[in-house]
Amino acid sequence: AQKITQTQPGMFVQEKEAVTLDCTYDTSDPSYGLFWYKQPSSGEMIFLIYQGSYDQQNATEGRYSLNFQKARKSANLVISASQLGDSAMYFCAMSATSGGSYIPTFGRGTSLIVHP
Amino acid sequence: DGGITQSPKYLFRKEGQNVTLSCEQNLNHDAMYWYRQDPGQGLRLIYYSQIVNDFQKGDIAEGYSVSREKKESFPLTVTSAQKNPTAFYLCASSWASTNTGELFFGEGSRLTVL
Repeated sequence: AQKITQTQPGMFVQEKEAVTLDCTYDTSDPSYGLFWYKQPSSGEMIFLIYQGSYDQQNATEGRYSLNFQKARKSANLVISASQLGDSAMYFCAMSATSGGSYIPTFGRGTSLIVHP
Repeated sequence: DGGITQSPKYLFRKEGQNVTLSCEQNLNHDAMYWYRQDPGQGLRLIYYSQIVNDFQKGDIAEGYSVSREKKESFPLTVTSAQKNPTAFYLCASSWASTNTGELFFGEGSRLTVL
C-alpha cells in the first residue's frame, strides 16, 4: 500500500526566509511520481512541482525545489524567499501503482503561515 | 479556457436526502477522480475512473456512487447511506493513469448536512 506522511501540521516562517516542508513516503513500486500542491484558503488546489523516482536531479520550479532523497524515501519541499502569498496548506502526493493503476495518494498537509 | 468545473460550490442537504455533485472537464483527460477533504485528514480518494463506462472504488467509497457515461463528466452522488457527508469535495482529472502527470482540480464543492 502507498503511504504519504507529513509530520508538520503547521509551520511559521518570516517573510523572505526559506522554509522546508517535510514529506516521507512508502511504496514498493520502483516507478512512482512525487508531487506537491498548494491550497490557499479559497480551496483550489495548485500544482507546484513534480519529481520522478528515476530522476537523478532534484526538481526546481522558480522558488520551489524538491529535496529528493530516495534512500530515505523523503521528498521535502523547499520554498526560498517566502512571500506573504505563500501562506496556505501544502500537500505532498505520490502516484504509484495500486492494482495495476497509478493512483494519487495525499498526505494530511502542512499549514504554512508567512509572517511579515 | 480548459479546466474543470464543479457545481454547486455550496450545497446544503437535509439528512436522508441524496445529492449529486457535478464535475465537468474540457481538458480531454481520460482519468477523473473524486476526493473528500476533512480538516486534518488531507485528501481521501472516493472513486476514480480511467475510461468511460468504467470506475473503481477508492479508500472511502461507502455511501457514494458515481457514473462515467461521457469522457467529460464524472458526477458524484452522496447518498443517505453516507453517515457523515459534511465535507469539502474535490474533483480532479489527469491524462491516462500514469505516475508523471499532475492532477488538475476543480474549485471544490462544500456540502453541509443540516
